[in-house]
Amino acid sequence: GQQVMQIPQYQHVQEGEDFTTYCNSSTTLSNIQWYKQRPGGHPVFLIQLVKSGEVKKQKRLTFQFGEAKKNSSLHITATQTTDVGTYFCAGALYNFNKFYFGSGTKLNVKP
Amino acid sequence: EPEVTQTPSHQVTQMGQEVILRCVPISNHLYFYWYRQILGQKVEFLVSFYNNEISEKSEIFDDQFSVERPDGSNFTLKIRSTKLEDSAMYFCASSAGRGNYGYTFGSGTRLTVV
Repeated sequence: GQQVMQIPQYQHVQEGEDFTTYCNSSTTLSNIQWYKQRPGGHPVFLIQLVKSGEVKKQKRLTFQFGEAKKNSSLHITATQTTDVGTYFCAGALYNFNKFYFGSGTKLNVKP
Repeated sequence: EPEVTQTPSHQVTQMGQEVILRCVPISNHLYFYWYRQILGQKVEFLVSFYNNEISEKSEIFDDQFSVERPDGSNFTLKIRSTKLEDSAMYFCASSAGRGNYGYTFGSGTRLTVV
């Protein structure tokens, strides 16, 4: 079945260091979304990528969608303690009504 | 900012009992979803709902599960005979459309089956 793999599972960084999480799909995706879940909270939508090779930025966050639309990454520059949480990618196939979530990368930022 | 509201926030039930989880999606959204997250694990798709019918469901969403939009505002998930392994956080989500629309998730209902 469709799988979206995400690595690493955990990442501990010092405040100010960069962070990247990677997402890979076994099949070509139509689009991919990224969510952030704070401890004890619910997933919060960050962004959606649709086009092959697309790059989008939100302040210190940079999102990329691979050329083959099978992988994606989220990069955070100069992490802050407010970045703590679990980052999930969620990929959709041709049918936008179902997103397959990756297993998430739990980010811990030490002040 | 508009929110998806879920009630109750925590439900404890005995194995074999029926539970109904309630959600009020954002009012102008057209697509509704249920996801679940077992503690510490990934978010799993259960079902999507559009135009008063299920548009897609996962293998988790077996005959024990059903969804309903009884009155045009509430969106409910019913589990007929709960099992221990149904214990999880259940998230309702809604979106304005397909394609370029993110999901807005509710804060979830933590279901504990004992």
